[in-house]
Amino acid sequence: GENVEQHPSTLSVQEGDSAVIKCTYSDSASNYFPWYKQELGKRPQLIIDIRSNVGEKKDQRIAVTLNKTAKHFSLHITETQPEDSAVYFCAAKRYNFNKFYFGSGTKLNVKP
Amino acid sequence: GAVVSQHPSRVICKSGTSVKIECRSLDFQATTMFWYRQFPKQSLMLMATSNEGSKATYEQGVEKDKFLINHASLTLSTLTVTSAHPEDSSFYICSAREYGTATNEKLFFGSGTQLSVL
Repeated sequence: GENVEQHPSTLSVQEGDSAVIKCTYSDSASNYFPWYKQELGKRPQLIIDIRSNVGEKKDQRIAVTLNKTAKHFSLHITETQPEDSAVYFCAAKRYNFNKFYFGSGTKLNVKP
Repeated sequence: GAVVSQHPSRVICKSGTSVKIECRSLDFQATTMFWYRQFPKQSLMLMATSNEGSKATYEQGVEKDKFLINHASLTLSTLTVTSAHPEDSSFYICSAREYGTATNEKLFFGSGTQLSVL
């Protein structure tokens, strides 16, 4: 089955700096890669996703890049703000399969 | 985005009792729902995949008789923790995959249930 690894486990940045979280996956048939943000005690919220036919996707301060050859994808947050502080999870899914495989999470702390 | 409602948000029960958690998709039909368990500062651990009208598929190591899952309609799945013990205390979250084409793969999460077994 699929194995998704996520790094780093914790990340501290100064407000205004950029943050990058990286994930690798093992199943070359995976074709959908969402990112979720989970604030303490709350539900994970989908913040951005990318499909395998696209190399990059951007939504305001958030972007995701995908390298299918290397089987890794990354979340980029620019101009970080304290409200970006949360745990971020990456995930991978194979076409026509039910399961989403989640990374172990990255706790992002944005210091004001 | 689509809305998934999960109730209760918090439950405290005595050891040996059963607890039922509901997960509803409010504005879409969900043929597939997932149940996760999350320990503090850890990732989402998939417990089972719930398919409407059929038996749930459990992950390795998850006891079927202890964690009963029912998915009787396209908008409702329930998880019943039977004969709860303190080690079952955890944050349980459901998620739903929107019914439709295979490319419509977005996953939406419920707000979670914090279960405390005394």
